[in-house]
Amino acid sequence: NAGVTQTPKFRVLKTGQSMTLLCAQDMNHEYMYWYRQDPGMGLRLIHYSVGEGTTAKGEVPDGYNVSRLKKQNFLLGLESAAPSQTSVYFCASRGLGVDEQFFGPGTRLTVL
Amino acid sequence: RKEVEQDPGPFNVPEGATVAFNCTYSNSASQSFFWYRQDCRKEPKLLMSVYSSGNEDGRFTAQLNRASQYISLLIRDSKLSDSATYLCVVSNQAGTALIFGKGTTLSVSS
Repeated sequence: NAGVTQTPKFRVLKTGQSMTLLCAQDMNHEYMYWYRQDPGMGLRLIHYSVGEGTTAKGEVPDGYNVSRLKKQNFLLGLESAAPSQTSVYFCASRGLGVDEQFFGPGTRLTVL
Repeated sequence: RKEVEQDPGPFNVPEGATVAFNCTYSNSASQSFFWYRQDCRKEPKLLMSVYSSGNEDGRFTAQLNRASQYISLLIRDSKLSDSATYLCVVSNQAGTALIFGKGTTLSVSS
């Protein structure tokens, strides 16, 4: 049981490049989340999903898109990366009727 | 007013000390409350849920005051291993997402 995994762990992009971050969970959780964490800002919710095929905007959705085509996967896309998107990205999942969110190990993204 | 506000920290305490963290939240409709712990460059992990009746887990005690919209965490007999950032977390009104405070850093020294 791997829990929540994130791919890749590290990435360096140039401004304007695109990429997709993959989050996978093997706990059959309904809810999945993408956060970014910046120094002095805490964790901020980008997008989330309450089930397969559904997505919703969080606090800071601009510049990102997401998809939840399979229940176990939640993809975060950056279509045209900007230096302001340099951050640590965490994915999390939660089961129905359960309060606790389980986090992945994070992806450290640098945009030059 | 920010949705979840915490003591700015950092807290630097010796081993064995008792330390208290405070947190306030703005949405009176929030239903779930938590303390998460985050070690340096690691993912956050649930430390404990917080209930109106108060709850205790070993050296950790959490309290919730709904009337004042105030949450607290007390750590007794601090250990070196307690050094981390403690995040106050509140659910959104719909209960579908969590709102995180910026965290308070604790450093326990020998």
